[in-house]
Amino acid sequence: KNEVEQSPQNLTAQEGEFITINCSYSVGISALHWLQQHPGGGIVSLFMLSSGKKKHGRLIATINIQEKHSSLHITASHPRDSAVYICAVRWAGNQFYFGTGTSLTVIP
Amino acid sequence: EPEVTQTPSHQVTQMGQEVILRCVPISNHLYFYWYRQILGQKVEFLVSFYNNEISEKSEIFDDQFSVERPDGSNFTLKIRSTKLEDSAMYFCASSEERANTGELFFGEGSRLTVL
Repeated sequence: KNEVEQSPQNLTAQEGEFITINCSYSVGISALHWLQQHPGGGIVSLFMLSSGKKKHGRLIATINIQEKHSSLHITASHPRDSAVYICAVRWAGNQFYFGTGTSLTVIP
Repeated sequence: EPEVTQTPSHQVTQMGQEVILRCVPISNHLYFYWYRQILGQKVEFLVSFYNNEISEKSEIFDDQFSVERPDGSNFTLKIRSTKLEDSAMYFCASSEERANTGELFFGEGSRLTVL
């Protein structure tokens, strides 16, 4: 069965800390999405990756196709980064399968 | 910046009633999706739609569900006879293309509460 696993499930950090959220999947994928879900429920796309690394502001996403693993890094974390971060992968077909999310709380 | 819009933001309905959730995808996008998230659970795929027809659907998307793009801009999800377990946040999403660069853009969600 194709699985998407995220770790950790919950993460609390002090403002300014470097944060890493991990995503592993069971079989080869065509694309991987990192998403941010706000406390109100809205979902925002952060990155879409199929290989390598992408950077946007304080956010960096990497993917290792051979190891079937992706990481989302947040540098100089801030309380406004507090949200649920979700990894979603696409295997064959046109649908994404979502992980359970990592709930991040950044304390001032 | 273009965005996906959804209405209503919250709907409360009685069990057995029909519900229509509406979405306006980003105008140049070609692929449209509905996802749902039951409270406290992960986001689940319901259906994808391309070229005026369903391209994929999940096991959740049974005969009680239907989708339509009636006028070239709106994309609707209809639940014919709602059940208690249909209570969830429903997200519409669109993407420009299906290939690996087909980034998903989500609406803010429609929260459905079935009593």
